[in-house]
Amino acid sequence: QKEVEQNSGPLSVPEGAIASLNCTYSDRGSQSFFWYRQYSGKSPELIMSIYSNGDKEDGRFTAQLNKASQYVSLLIRDSQPSDSATYLCAVKRPASGGSYIPTFGRGTSLIVHP
Amino acid sequence: EPEVTQTPSHQVTQMGQEVILRCVPISNHLYFYWYRQILGQKVEFLVSFYNNEISEKSEIFDDQFSVERPDGSNFTLKIRSTKLEDSAMYFCASSGSLAGGGEQYFGPGTRLTVT
Repeated sequence: QKEVEQNSGPLSVPEGAIASLNCTYSDRGSQSFFWYRQYSGKSPELIMSIYSNGDKEDGRFTAQLNKASQYVSLLIRDSQPSDSATYLCAVKRPASGGSYIPTFGRGTSLIVHP
Repeated sequence: EPEVTQTPSHQVTQMGQEVILRCVPISNHLYFYWYRQILGQKVEFLVSFYNNEISEKSEIFDDQFSVERPDGSNFTLKIRSTKLEDSAMYFCASSGSLAGGGEQYFGPGTRLTVT
């Protein structure tokens, strides 16, 4: 079974701190990696995508990818209470039909307390 | 800002009934997806659709499910004979291209309750 693994949390950080969220995936052929934020009862909202090894920064968010270790992470700097949500890691893994299937992790619950 | 829309927001149906969930993807997007999320569980891929045909489907997407793009704007998911275990949030998503991995944008979802 091709899986995407995340620690369910909750991860609790104080306001202004850095939150670090991690994700591992099992299919080495996976090509594209995404982080989504999902508030309770709402749909996933795309935060960042990353496709090559290294870091990618967008505002307070930095995604990190290490394909050799099959590891993706998301750093949130200057965390705010409004960042409190579940963060979903998603991976596009090869499918038998020749394209890619998006596979989601169960998500990590982040709580930012004032 | 363009967004994916879905109707209805909540659908209640009896076991064995057919339901059709509707989605309007972002207008210039070419790739369309359906996902489901059972309460408290992860988002699960159901099907992807491109150029008026299914690209990929998961094991969940059995003969009870079908998708259609009946016109230039709507994308529908039909469940022919609903079961209790079909109760979930159903999300539609669309993507402009597969280049660069194909970032997907999700609609607000339809909550399906099968009684």
